[in-house]
Amino acid sequence: DAGVIQSPRHEVTEMGQEVTLRCKPISGHNSLFWYRQTMMRGLELLIYFNNNVPIDDSGMPEDRFSAKMPNASFSTLKIQPSEPRDSAVYFCASSSEYNEKLFFGSGTQLSVL
Amino acid sequence: GENVEQHPSTLSVQEGDSAVIKCTYSDSASNYFPWYKQELGKRPQLIIDIRSNVGEKKDQRIAVTLNKTAKHFSLHITETQPEDSAVYFCAASRYTGGFKTIFGAGTRLFVKA
Repeated sequence: DAGVIQSPRHEVTEMGQEVTLRCKPISGHNSLFWYRQTMMRGLELLIYFNNNVPIDDSGMPEDRFSAKMPNASFSTLKIQPSEPRDSAVYFCASSSEYNEKLFFGSGTQLSVL
Repeated sequence: GENVEQHPSTLSVQEGDSAVIKCTYSDSASNYFPWYKQELGKRPQLIIDIRSNVGEKKDQRIAVTLNKTAKHFSLHITETQPEDSAVYFCAASRYTGGFKTIFGAGTRLFVKA
């Protein structure tokens, strides 16, 4: 298995632009998580899905952030409009129903200028 | 809400010494406590975990202890080596339709040769 796949690896954009981050979980995993990592806050849970259904989005910072999981093999995290304070590394992770272990993707380094 | 406190934020030790990182959690329903290691520019990876029905677990040079009553858990690394230098994250997890995992802020460990 190729593991959790995220794209793009790096994204540089200007304030006000829309940003879309993508994630493909490990095949057979039914839980998917979006985390944001910054020096100040560490790894923050933004939202997670179970069987493609959003279970807890209490970590989503504000309405500018949205996430979808249209099927078991794909999820997106969208920021619209983006702001400089959104600059961070965004990780996607997945786990199976029977094991709590999280498998992380390589992350997307987002820079909003 | 759920919260995981981690201390210290930075730890510097001499090669061969021991390192201890401590965490506390707030959600008494948490029953799974993993530790992740993140090397510079890499994704977090699980190094050891412990479940709530166990008080201690050891794997070679690393060990974890859990005090459920006090909601404390700790990571112990003995005979530290330069390659142990990384950021370590503790986490607490519980099942809520998927295993919701909340991370501490991380400890940056430096092992000086």
